[in-house]
Order: sequence, then C-alpha cells, then structure tokens
Amino acid sequence: EVQVVESGGGSVQPGGSLRLSCVGSGLSFSSYWMTWVRQAPGKGLEWVANIKQDGSEKYYVDSVKGRFTISRDNAKNSLYLQMNSLRPEDTAVYYCARIWDYWGQGTLVTVSS
Amino acid sequence: QAVVTQEPSLTVSPGGTVTLTCGSSTGAVTSGHYPYWFQQKPGQAPRTLIYDTSNKHSWTPARFSGSLLGGKAALTLSGAQPEDEAEYYCLLSYSGTYAVFGGGTKLTVL
Repeated sequence: EVQVVESGGGSVQPGGSLRLSCVGSGLSFSSYWMTWVRQAPGKGLEWVANIKQDGSEKYYVDSVKGRFTISRDNAKNSLYLQMNSLRPEDTAVYYCARIWDYWGQGTLVTVSS
Repeated sequence: QAVVTQEPSLTVSPGGTVTLTCGSSTGAVTSGHYPYWFQQKPGQAPRTLIYDTSNKHSWTPARFSGSLLGGKAALTLSGAQPEDEAEYYCLLSYSGTYAVFGGGTKLTVL
C-alpha cells in the first residue's frame, strides 16, 4: 500500500521554528521531484517549494524565500521542510507530494502568540 | 510571480458536461506550463487527476479529460456524478522554477 505521511506540525509562536518531515512507504521518492504545498484554513492551495531528485535544485515561493529550506534524504525515502522565522500567515496544513501523483494527508502548523 | 485564474464556482446537472478553465496572467497557457488538475473534497487531501495537460493517472475516472482551449488549460467532466462535487484546482509550472495554483473552482452537481 502506498503511503505518504507528514509529521512535525504543531503550534509555535511568531519568530519560532519547526521542521516538517515526510516519509514514503510503498513508493520511491528518489527518482522524482518532490514538493511542499500548503493550505491556510478555508483557503486554496499554495505551492511552497520543490526539490530535484538529487537535491541540486530547489525553488521556493517568494513569501518563504530565506526562511524555509527544503531538503531530502533518498536513503530514508524522506522529505523535509525547515521553517524559520515563522509568521502568523504561515498557518496552514502542509502537504508533501511526489510531483505530481501521490500526496500525504497533511500536517497542521499554527503560528500564534 | 504569475496569477492563475479559475472560475470561482460552476454548477452541472447529474449526467451533464462542464468545462473548467485555467488562465495565466502572463499570457496563453501552453503545454510548456505542464498544466495539472487536482480534486479536493472537504476534509481530504488533494488528489491529482490530470498531469501534463491531458494525461491521466490510473485512478482518474475516464469521465475527466484535460486539454488546451482558447489559450487556457481546460478540465472537462462528461457525465457528472454526485461524487464529483468538490473543489478543483489547476497548477501551472513557470520555466520549471516556480509553480502557481489557481484559486480553485467549487463544482456543484445539482
């Protein structure tokens, strides 16, 4: 059975940090670009970041450049998102996806004082 | 970054046909934008229906099809079913360096 599972979400104060993880089972991440997508409460989908198969290319939406870092560990079939200097507007469900077929169920990040 | 536009809402009768469109603020949508279409039902994660304009995944119902139409990407649903009621999002890739989702189309089957 194919599963993509995110973890690491939670509540954090503005200016804080969180590291999201995503692990796949029943499918391989290593030959695919991977992505993070977020969805603020009651809002639409927003692309956040992409990473190439070997990690040599990374791209970000303007609003997170310099604050978020996408990375991967193909040996662990895992994807990560390091989020620093968090803002209230970063509050969202964060989804991991293998571009563009399998998605995880998401992990909620809440940034609030 | 570009803005991607979709119809905010559409209604289709059961068994009917409806076309959702996806436009770009930068000009005509082409195959080079690798248009994608996703379906999301309340409380669920998105599901990819169409990739690279018109390709379907193994789980994509045959009644969904993707195309380019009048400078936009299009998702056509032929023979709508009650279970097709959902939010539909398109995604366009720009020069492989960034991607933008449309605002979503709320499809009602009524």
